Amino acid sequence: SYVLTQPPSVSAAPGETAIITCGGNRIGSKSVHWYQQTPGQAPVVVISYDKDRPSGIPERFSGSNSDNTATLTISRVEAGDEADYYCQVWDDNSQYAVFGGGTQLTVL
Amino acid sequence: EVELVVSGGGLVQPGESLRLSCAASGFTFSTSWMTWVRQAPGKGLEWVATIKQDGTEKYYVDSVKGRFSVSRDNARNSLYLQMNSLRAEDTAVYYCARDRSRFDYFDFWGQGSLVTVSS
Repeated sequence: SYVLTQPPSVSAAPGETAIITCGGNRIGSKSVHWYQQTPGQAPVVVISYDKDRPSGIPERFSGSNSDNTATLTISRVEAGDEADYYCQVWDDNSQYAVFGGGTQLTVL
Repeated sequence: EVELVVSGGGLVQPGESLRLSCAASGFTFSTSWMTWVRQAPGKGLEWVATIKQDGTEKYYVDSVKGRFSVSRDNARNSLYLQMNSLRAEDTAVYYCARDRSRFDYFDFWGQGSLVTVSS
């Protein structure tokens, strides 16, 4: 089955840029979606279709996807961005939705 | 406003059954693909099952095939997950979510319900 690999943790100081990667075999040929989850809450989509921001998501959140890596970039990090972030794709071969293992963003 | 309210979680013993319900409101439920996602304590998200608008297509993660069954009642705007032969490794918070479209992302999520399988 298709596997998505994320770093377990990423840290950034307020005002800096946080970059979270999501690796997968030829992931650039798939649509990647990113979710933010704070403790005790349900996930919220922050990026869809590689780079689209749903309504209400700050412009500080951006995404890209190419070759074997998709990337979520959070510019000018704020304390409120501290959360777990998950990438997700649909694997057409297995007809599965696949999530990455998640990345915990710590704001220093 | 879209709302998904999950109910039916609780503590069960291994081998027992449980049915989760997800009551939907604020959107046209009958035209939406719907999905169950779970999260074991302290772990990441795991997709469990997805069902087409009319219930004619259903997809499951391998680990629950033959034990779990997803269904829906469009007249009641409700989604269900029947879980049989429960195992300790099924312990998780179960979320229902609306699919943006077929094989797409999940744009609205319910609050989740904890299922604990333990003797």
